[in-house]
Amino acid sequence: DIVMTQSPDSLAVSLGERATIHCKSSQSVLYSSNNNNYVAWYQQKPGQPPKLLIYWVSARESGVPDRFSGSGSGTDFTLTISSLQAEDVAVYYCHQYYSRPYTFGQGTKLEIK
Amino acid sequence: EVQLVESGGGLVKPGGSLRLTCAASGFTLSNAYMNWVRQAPGKGLEWVGLIKSKSDRGTTEYAAPVSGRFTISRDDSKNTLYLQMDSLKTEDTAVYYCSAYGSGRFDWGQGTLVTVSS
Repeated sequence: DIVMTQSPDSLAVSLGERATIHCKSSQSVLYSSNNNNYVAWYQQKPGQPPKLLIYWVSARESGVPDRFSGSGSGTDFTLTISSLQAEDVAVYYCHQYYSRPYTFGQGTKLEIK
Repeated sequence: EVQLVESGGGLVKPGGSLRLTCAASGFTLSNAYMNWVRQAPGKGLEWVGLIKSKSDRGTTEYAAPVSGRFTISRDDSKNTLYLQMDSLKTEDTAVYYCSAYGSGRFDWGQGTLVTVSS
């Protein structure tokens, strides 16, 4: 199974500042035939389902603010929020769908400093 | 617009059975890879299994903790996905989400809570 390890486990950032969450996979999730990395990022608020933010590492889901961006390749990935807003307080998960069983990171709790 | 609505959750005793339903609209369910994902209270996300599209013969795959106890199926005439859960254990307590995969991305339902307790 591919293990997805996020860092940090929790993060406190001031409003308007940059927030960066890292995710490392235990093996490559790059599919060579189409050059896509099969990694997604989700935001989850209490009592709500996960909300898709980013897929294929860097493709932003429709309706997601452009302050959210994804990057990386192979085994190292990053979710960046360029200017933190109060509504961004949530738990964030990375997810690999390169091979089954699909797996998720353990989550990063993002708070306001 | 894709919509997924789960139902069928509730309280069940250990060793019991429950069937979850995911009603899909806005797309043809049989054309998608359909997944079930669960989240235990206060915990992270765990993939449960999937059923492939009709063009990929609708074969199923399961996570190790549920293999042999859970069965995923669908009714194409109703555009509905099912998760049959047998021999339930207390550790199966979770919110269960159905999720549709297509073009590199997943759509999710709101989830239904399953509680396994005596």
